[in-house]
Amino acid sequence: AQSVSQHNHHVILSEAASLELGCNYSYGGTVNLFWYVQYPGQHLQLLLKYFSGDPLVKGIKGFEAEFIKSKFSFNLRKPSVQWSDTAEYFCAVNADSWGKLQFGAGTQVVVTP
Amino acid sequence: SQTIHQWPATLVQPVGSPLSLECTVEGTSNPNLYWYRQAAGRGLQLLFYSVGIGQISSEVPQNLSASRPQDRQFILSSKKLLLSDSGFYLCAWSGRSEQFFGPGTRLTVL
Repeated sequence: AQSVSQHNHHVILSEAASLELGCNYSYGGTVNLFWYVQYPGQHLQLLLKYFSGDPLVKGIKGFEAEFIKSKFSFNLRKPSVQWSDTAEYFCAVNADSWGKLQFGAGTQVVVTP
Repeated sequence: SQTIHQWPATLVQPVGSPLSLECTVEGTSNPNLYWYRQAAGRGLQLLFYSVGIGQISSEVPQNLSASRPQDRQFILSSKKLLLSDSGFYLCAWSGRSEQFFGPGTRLTVL
């Protein structure tokens, strides 16, 4: 079955630490990949996306993600996190023309001052 | 600019009662619309999607139904709620390259 796996459900780190969240998917064929973020009390919003081209994509707020096709992975990174990065992060995959998204279970990230 | 509304924001309902959650989109026409649910400790699961008025596709068998009576209105319903229907329900519409999500409805079934 097609699936999206996020490796960590809960991450706690200090400000200025580096962050990397893993995401693997099990779809064959062409996929579009997304990272969404939900800050406390806010709507789910797009961090970054990959459709084609350069496998290293840059998003908002200093986040980036690397698409590695051979590993079916799309890991999210940020070199130095801030307290305001405390949020839940979701990896998502679209593999059809209807725009349907399949999400991972999410990772709750807590950044301590 | 486009805006998506959902109501109510929170809802507590007894088992066996009916449900109606509403989603409306402003600032776009003929959008693809989606209902997702996030159960506790789980990711978002696609429940329904719609590519036009009256066109509904169900992704998972369940106790819920959806309707799209107008181009920018998407309704999630149930005739009799189950405990397992508790969760956070998100409506979304699809732009050219991403989905935009509403604020969500937190449903608790007691």
